[in-house]
Amino acid sequence: NAGVTQTPKFRILKIGQSMTLQCTQDMNHNYMYWYRQDPGMGLKLIYYSVGAGITDKGEVPNGYNVSRSTTEDFPLRLELAAPSQTSVYFCASSSDSSYNSPLHFGNGTRLTVT
Amino acid sequence: GENVEQHPSTLSVQEGDSAVIKCTYSDSASNYFPWYKQELGKGPQLIIDIRSNVGEKKDQRIAVTLNKTAKHFSLHITETQPEDSAVYFCAAMKGSARQLTFGSGTQLTVLP
Repeated sequence: NAGVTQTPKFRILKIGQSMTLQCTQDMNHNYMYWYRQDPGMGLKLIYYSVGAGITDKGEVPNGYNVSRSTTEDFPLRLELAAPSQTSVYFCASSSDSSYNSPLHFGNGTRLTVT
Repeated sequence: GENVEQHPSTLSVQEGDSAVIKCTYSDSASNYFPWYKQELGKGPQLIIDIRSNVGEKKDQRIAVTLNKTAKHFSLHITETQPEDSAVYFCAAMKGSARQLTFGSGTQLTVLP
């Protein structure tokens, strides 16, 4: 059981470039989330999805886009990379949004924008 | 919105000693408080949680206490072992997981 898989593990982008961070889960979870983790800070929610075809903004959505065409996949798109987007990005999933359903996190993507 | 403060940011203890990490939250409507452990190069993993109708919960060497009146909760790890070394995050949730607010993390180092 792979759980939540994120690719790539590391990436360096130049300012203005674009990229897609991939996230897939094999637990048939309806809910999926994207967080960013900056040094000395807690995780901040970027976007989340409650099911295929449905996405919504979290606390820090500016500069990002998401899509959810299947239950398994929840890619995060950066269109015009900026140094402020240097961070570690975590994808997570849960079967529902209640406290009965803990978040399962991937191992993260470390992104540097220079 | 919710604000969660976590202290200390770093904590070093001798193997076998106890470790305590404390968090305070601001929104009295928060009703669920999970703790996550993040090992180097990995994503956070839930280790214990507590709901607002419970004052304390234990799971082997780890325990969490909640004081709703003071709006603070704490993680207690007893008989620490080197494999407990990691970053620990507290969080507070109000209603649903999209309203999960994390603390800033505590780097725990257990010295052999």
